[in-house]
Amino acid sequence: AQSVTQLGSHVSVSEGALVLLRCNYSSSVPPYLFWYVQYPNQGLQLLLKYTSAATLVKGINGFEAEFKKSETSFHLTKPSAHMSDAAEYFCAVSEDTDKLIFGTGTRLQVFP
Amino acid sequence: DAGITQSPRHKVTETGTPVTLRCHQTENHRYMYWYRQDPGHGLRLIHYSYGVKDTDKGEVSDGYSVSRSKTEDFLLTLESATSSQTSVYFCAISLGVLAGGQETQYFGPGTRLLVL
Repeated sequence: AQSVTQLGSHVSVSEGALVLLRCNYSSSVPPYLFWYVQYPNQGLQLLLKYTSAATLVKGINGFEAEFKKSETSFHLTKPSAHMSDAAEYFCAVSEDTDKLIFGTGTRLQVFP
Repeated sequence: DAGITQSPRHKVTETGTPVTLRCHQTENHRYMYWYRQDPGHGLRLIHYSYGVKDTDKGEVSDGYSVSRSKTEDFLLTLESATSSQTSVYFCAISLGVLAGGQETQYFGPGTRLLVL
């Protein structure tokens, strides 16, 4: 069965610092992986998705994620955090079905 | 932004009363989904639809029913609301599974439901 684990429910960084949000997945077949962002009182917005093309995926707002099959990971990174990046981030997995399985989310705080 | 609206956006109701939440899309997407979001649980799928009158259960479907009589509308009904159904409910849409991949899901703004 598919599952997603997001390590760290809260991550705090200083403005300008590296952002690293961790996501590990469990899947019996090559998965499709997604990162979504949720700003306060809003719905989820797609940041990026991996669909078995390039292993390094670039998304919006300067974020990127690398698919590592050997580590079953799909960590999200951004070289330099901005105050506007403060939000909740969700990793999700799909095994070529019409359903997504979401992780429990990581809340990112950015300090000046 | 995907054309997805949810109504109402906020609702307070009492235990035992029926509640219906509406999701409306203008994108003509085939798939529609209802999720609930709770702290520590992320998003959990309640029900989804893969076409008019075609629906299926998700991970947390007990106590909920859905209907889809038109492509653009997907209704979620709590037949007899309980306090455990206090949550934020999100609707999502997608084109569905295309050859070789999972299509992106686009989310509505959410409905905050409080059951007293």
